[in-house]
Amino acid sequence: GEDVEQSLFLSVREGDSSVINCTYTDSSSTYLYWYKQEPGAGLQLLTYIFSNMDMKQDQRLTVLLNKKDKHLSLRIADTQTGDSAIYFCAETSDTGRRALTFGSGTRLQVQP
Amino acid sequence: DAGITQSPRHKVTETGTPVTLRCHQTENHRYMYWYRQDPGHGLRLIHYSYGVKDTDKGEVSDGYSVSRSKTEDFLLTLESATSSQTSVYFCAITTSKNTEAFFGQGTRLTVV
Repeated sequence: GEDVEQSLFLSVREGDSSVINCTYTDSSSTYLYWYKQEPGAGLQLLTYIFSNMDMKQDQRLTVLLNKKDKHLSLRIADTQTGDSAIYFCAETSDTGRRALTFGSGTRLQVQP
Repeated sequence: DAGITQSPRHKVTETGTPVTLRCHQTENHRYMYWYRQDPGHGLRLIHYSYGVKDTDKGEVSDGYSVSRSKTEDFLLTLESATSSQTSVYFCAITTSKNTEAFFGQGTRLTVV
């Protein structure tokens, strides 16, 4: 079945850039997502990218997609303490049940 | 949040009792999903619905049933709660073009 993998933890200093990586196995993935979850809260959709795109930029967020290697990354520029959270990568296709398959999440810790 | 409301937000129940969680949406989305979130597993799909009275199983459906008698409501029932079902449960919808997936705030269920 589909699988999505992420590293568990990333620590950066405030003001630096953060790069969170994700790999997936489903070659029919159509949309790839990044969600943010703060403690005790739900999942906030940060951004998504369509599989025929290589890059998407949205303010401080840059998503890069290497479809050949099935590798997705999220770059957060000028990381702030408020960016400390768990970040989930997810993928889905636009056929069938359209459910998202999630990675296990990357905990981002931003040190002042 | 795409008008998604989950109830209750917190519940403690005893082993062996039935429990029903409710997901209500206000925007007439066709696809609705129930996920559970456990440490180290990300979110895993329990059941999903692609229309009124149309439901199907996800990867972790054992011990759960669902019903969707109206477009706006998707109910998740634990037929006889077990301690392994202690988790945070999230309801989600996908938009009609499947470009975005939004989540409710979650229900924290503890089975004692």
